[in-house]
Amino acid sequence: QSALTQPRSVSGSPGQSVTISCTGTSSDVGGYNYVSWYQQHPDKAPRLMIYDVTKRPSGVPDRFSGSKSGNTASLTISGLQAEDEADYYCYSYAGSYTWVFGGGTKLTVL
Amino acid sequence: QLQLQESGPGLVKPSETLSLICTVSGGSISITSYYWGWIRQPPGKGLEWIGSLFYNRGTYYNPSLKSRVTISVDTSKNQFSLRVSSVTAADTAVYYCANSYIGNYWVDYWGHGTLVTVSS
Repeated sequence: QSALTQPRSVSGSPGQSVTISCTGTSSDVGGYNYVSWYQQHPDKAPRLMIYDVTKRPSGVPDRFSGSKSGNTASLTISGLQAEDEADYYCYSYAGSYTWVFGGGTKLTVL
Repeated sequence: QLQLQESGPGLVKPSETLSLICTVSGGSISITSYYWGWIRQPPGKGLEWIGSLFYNRGTYYNPSLKSRVTISVDTSKNQFSLRVSSVTAADTAVYYCANSYIGNYWVDYWGHGTLVTVSS
């Protein structure tokens, strides 16, 4: 079970859009529609932003959206705001009641 | 709303066993609608799923940690615990306890996290 692959960092200016990718295998990301995304600010617990690939919990701005194609899931943040600057992690079910995280992506709002 | 709180020693010596407890409030740990788990994050690094416990149904572990990890439940205290044996500096991390509803493949509730340092 290897960690899912995410870019180490992405950046964008306020108002722009950024997309963070999360690449796994057919045994995890590609095999199930059970990818979730978490936002983590320094010294805070992660916050759920997207679940089941595309669904948004109540309270999460609609600027956050998720998608998947094959073995790669993506999180898109549109209309970037300063408070979006954080680390983002994908999380996928990997079968047999096991899960795997991505390595994390640091988003910088320029 | 469920609340989770980790507790345990903040410092563990190499080769010893790390033991943490997660105290659950706002719900019963023995309700089979939930499952419980542990996630860790080494300083400055990413999150790692450690394992999940499904009450009366089984416990499942990260294959890379399986030989050293045990997750168990104490229904009398509404707590679940984590034990990691033969620890090394690589086990230094913030440890989070977590909760999910059965049928949800994401984490619904997180504890605040507790830092455990492995050092002599």
